[in-house]
Amino acid sequence: NAGVTQTPKFQVLKTGQSMTLQCAQDMNHEYMSWYRQDPGMGLRLIHYSVGAGITDQGEVPNGYNVSRSTTEDFPLRLLSAAPSQTSVYFCASRSSGIPATDTQYFGPGTRLTVL
Amino acid sequence: GDSVTQMEGPVTLSEEAFLTINCTYTATGYPSLFWYVQYPGEGLQLLLKATKADDKGSNKGFEATYRKETTSFHLEKGSVQVSDSAVYFCALTFWMDSSYKLIFGSGTRLLVRP
Repeated sequence: NAGVTQTPKFQVLKTGQSMTLQCAQDMNHEYMSWYRQDPGMGLRLIHYSVGAGITDQGEVPNGYNVSRSTTEDFPLRLLSAAPSQTSVYFCASRSSGIPATDTQYFGPGTRLTVL
Repeated sequence: GDSVTQMEGPVTLSEEAFLTINCTYTATGYPSLFWYVQYPGEGLQLLLKATKADDKGSNKGFEATYRKETTSFHLEKGSVQVSDSAVYFCALTFWMDSSYKLIFGSGTRLLVRP
């Protein structure tokens, strides 16, 4: 059981480049989300999905797109990378929409640097 | 809006010392409260949780009690080990746009020296 996996682990981009951060889970979880972690700011929600075909914006969605064509995969796309998007990105999943009763599982993270 | 405030780190302790990491929250409803731990180079892991007032969450020797009167959820451990060195995040849930959201505090780094 791999849990939540993310690729790549590290990435360096130039300003204006685009890329996709991959996230997959093998636990059949409905709820998936993307966070970014910046020093002194904890984790901030970028986008989330409550099931295949359903996505919505979180706290800091600008500059990012998501899609959810399958239950397993939830890729995050950077359309035109900016230095402000330098961060560590975490994907997470849980089995329902009720975190009070479910454990949220996190991937190992992708460290992104935009030059 | 709902928010979580944690004490700033780093917190540096000697092995076997007592640990307290303060966490207070602001919430309009009745949130559930969580502590997550992030070991170096890894993602976050749920450490413990409490879903209603006066509940005590516990795991791996860590404890936290949901105090509604003081809106607090302080993390404690009686005797820390070097292996407890990590970043600890306090978090709560709230209801928005027809779903629950998790929000996190800024994290507190703990360094335990032998």
